[in-house]
Amino acid sequence: DARVTQTPRHKVTEMGQEVTMRCQPILGHNTVFWYRQTMMQGLELLAYFRNRAPLDDSGMPKDRFSAEMPDATLATLKIQPSEPRDSAVYFCASVRGYGLGGGEQFFGPGTRLTVL
Amino acid sequence: KQEVTQIPAALSVPEGENLVLNCSFTDSAIYNLQWFRQDPGKGLTSLLLIQSSQREQTSGRLNASLDKSSGRSTLYIAASQPGDSATYLCAVSTGANSKLTFGKGITLSVRP
Repeated sequence: DARVTQTPRHKVTEMGQEVTMRCQPILGHNTVFWYRQTMMQGLELLAYFRNRAPLDDSGMPKDRFSAEMPDATLATLKIQPSEPRDSAVYFCASVRGYGLGGGEQFFGPGTRLTVL
Repeated sequence: KQEVTQIPAALSVPEGENLVLNCSFTDSAIYNLQWFRQDPGKGLTSLLLIQSSQREQTSGRLNASLDKSSGRSTLYIAASQPGDSATYLCAVSTGANSKLTFGKGITLSVRP
């Protein structure tokens, strides 16, 4: 049963600390997305990659957020330094992108981040 | 800029009722539309994907329709059950890179 996995599932940290979230996309999916979900804003796209290359990270605060895909089986999202306003659920999603518009996106279970 | 709207934000119905959830989008030049379900504290589960060339898709008690020209989609749930209680999100892809724009979702409660 192929699925997107994310670690950690929960993270509580203090303001100023570095946070790293990891995602393993479904094998064979070449497009990976990072989203953030809050009650106020809903789901927001932070960044995404195709074939490990960053396509768009305009949704991320560049001064503190960074996203990478060191290999096809791992995507990371890092926040340094973290702030209380970063508290949210962070989702990773993957899709087998082909042609125009791509296919069905599959989401991981999310990382619930609380910054005190 | 694509905007996706789902109204109402919440809906409560008695068990057994057939119901329709609405989704509207401002830019009709979409590649596909996807309906998701999200249970409290959980991730998103894909329910149905409709390509821009399709008019509807069906899965069990769920039927999703797409009218690109009017910028609308509906998710029809037949014979609702308490287990259908969740938040339903609509998302559209308008870019060549599978990028999705989400609505805020409709929180459905099915009363026993």
